[in-house]
Amino acid sequence: KAGVTQTPRYLIKTRGQQVTLSCSPISGHRSVSWYQQTPGQGLQFLFEYFSETQRNKGNFPGRFSGRQFSNSRSEMNVSTLELGDSALYLCASSLEGHNYGYTFGSGTRLTVV
Amino acid sequence: DQQVKQNSPSLSVQEGRISILNCDYTNSMFDYFLWYKKYPAEGPTFLISISSIKDKNEDGRFTVFLNKSAKHLSLHIVPSQPGDSAVYFCAAWKVRAAGNKLTFGGGTRVLVKP
Repeated sequence: KAGVTQTPRYLIKTRGQQVTLSCSPISGHRSVSWYQQTPGQGLQFLFEYFSETQRNKGNFPGRFSGRQFSNSRSEMNVSTLELGDSALYLCASSLEGHNYGYTFGSGTRLTVV
Repeated sequence: DQQVKQNSPSLSVQEGRISILNCDYTNSMFDYFLWYKKYPAEGPTFLISISSIKDKNEDGRFTVFLNKSAKHLSLHIVPSQPGDSAVYFCAAWKVRAAGNKLTFGGGTRVLVKP
């Protein structure tokens, strides 16, 4: 059974640009969540999508957005990139009602220069 | 508002000995508590969880203890092995109709010395 797939694995962008990250969840998982990991802040919740609807949102500015498609694949977008957006972005999927949290992908390492 | 805290950023232990990782939380409404292990450049992988109505859960070398009155949980790894060297995250999960969300602690880096 394939795991959570995130693309690309690594990305370098310039300040002011925008970026789109992609996540394919485990087959059958309809909930997809995004997290940002930075050395100083740990793992911070960005948002959760379920059946193409944003169901939950963390405390991030509006530059961070996402969407989910009918096949449960999800994308997140960051506009007007800032140096502080450099982080590992993790996508996770879960089965509704499952008690074991999420299955995470390997992440996309975004570097803003 | 840091609802889940891991106060020890790092831990060093000898191979074969016990590793004890601690985690404190402030919100008594969490339904489950989970531990994840993370290697560099990889996503966290699920280790073990415990329901808020239990006080202990064991899976092989890993045991999680929950003290609800103290709002404290701990992960015991016995015996510790070099492959256990990683960052461990404590997380709290509140199951609700409005959506699921894991709240993570800051992590504890464990180094198991051979």
